[in-house]
Amino acid sequence: EAQVTQNPRYLITVTGKKLTVTCSQNMNHEYMSWYRQDPGLGLRQIYYSMNVEVTDKGDVPEGYKVSRKEKRNFPLILESPSPNQTSLYFCASSLKGGDYEQYFGPGTRLTVT
Amino acid sequence: GNSVTQMEGPVTLSEEAFLTINCTYTATGYPSLFWYVQYPGEGLQLLLKATKADDKGSNKGFEATYRKETTSFHLEKGSVQVSDSAVYFCALSGAGSYQLTFGKGTKLSVIP
Repeated sequence: EAQVTQNPRYLITVTGKKLTVTCSQNMNHEYMSWYRQDPGLGLRQIYYSMNVEVTDKGDVPEGYKVSRKEKRNFPLILESPSPNQTSLYFCASSLKGGDYEQYFGPGTRLTVT
Repeated sequence: GNSVTQMEGPVTLSEEAFLTINCTYTATGYPSLFWYVQYPGEGLQLLLKATKADDKGSNKGFEATYRKETTSFHLEKGSVQVSDSAVYFCALSGAGSYQLTFGKGTKLSVIP
């Protein structure tokens, strides 16, 4: 089954404790992206990747890091999480980005206390 | 930069009512336009799209027409069902861009 998976689905952590949210797709897509969803703000893009070893900042990259060492994986790293990073995070992939359909993972709900 | 403005929600309709969710955009050139839907507890999924002016996207009884002159892409459905209850997001991808810009979303609740 074609899908985007994210882990963990739920995470509660404390300020400053480094964490990684994994994202994997099995569709051989070149493009992958991370979004955060907050009430009243919709979805905002954090980082995206056009292909292996090629990443770029989205609209809200501060406090996040990403890497794309393999085509299927695109982990999101929070080196020192803060409470304002409490949010619902979505990973997405698409064949090439742009006007190609994006396929979304189920989301990761992160709470930073 | 690019931006998308959607009508504020929430929207509550009775079953079989007509639905319109307004969406307008700001972008240079000729963007591609999308509607995504998010059912409770799930990720977003593409509902329909249009890639050039006057194109009409359609799916599952929903329609939207790309209007360049009014920079709009309003979502319509003639007769909504309870199963259409979800959050609807309008989005655009700028010409030659890898990025997708979303509106803030409109929550639709359909009551029997």
